[in-house]
Amino acid sequence: AQSVTQPDIHITVSEGASLELRCNYSYGATPYLFWYVQSPGQGLQLLLKYFSGDTLVQGIKGFEAEFKRSQSSFNLRKPSVHWSDAAEYFCAVGDTGTASKLTFGTGTRLQVML
Amino acid sequence: DAGITQSPRHKVTETGTPVTLRCHQTENHRYMYWYRQDPGHGLRLIHYSYGVKDTDKGEVSDGYSVSRSKTEDFLLTLESATSSQTSVYFCAIHRDLNQPQHFGDGTRLSIL
Repeated sequence: AQSVTQPDIHITVSEGASLELRCNYSYGATPYLFWYVQSPGQGLQLLLKYFSGDTLVQGIKGFEAEFKRSQSSFNLRKPSVHWSDAAEYFCAVGDTGTASKLTFGTGTRLQVML
Repeated sequence: DAGITQSPRHKVTETGTPVTLRCHQTENHRYMYWYRQDPGHGLRLIHYSYGVKDTDKGEVSDGYSVSRSKTEDFLLTLESATSSQTSVYFCAIHRDLNQPQHFGDGTRLSIL
């Protein structure tokens, strides 16, 4: 069965500092991978996705992620964090068959210090 | 967002009562999903639909049923609610398997 691990429950960074959120997955084939962001009381917004092709994926709000098959990782990065980036971030892997069933990690809560 | 409306947005009910949550979309997308979100678990798939009247179980389907009689509506029913079903429920949709899922704003359900 597929699984996703986000080892960091909570991360605090200073505004303007760089950010890397870790995501490791387990999946038997080439995965579909996603990062979503959730602000308090809100739904999930897609940051970026990887389906195939270039392993460095650009997303919205200045985020990028790199798919590394050898490490089963899909880490999210941002060179300079803004206070508005404070939120919870979820990594997910998609299984395809009759539908695309997502398995989510448990999330990383990002706090930004001003 | 993405033409998805979940109703109600908040509900408090008692153990043993039936509860139905509705997901309505205006995008005419084929695929629809119900997830629940709980602290320490992320989101977990309850049921999904890949067309009208075509549904299947997800990871945590016990105690839940679904129906999809038309493209735009996907209903999630708790036949006899239990306190363990207190959660935030999210609906998601997408057009096809090569597109990401887009999520509604969620329904916060409390079962006392």
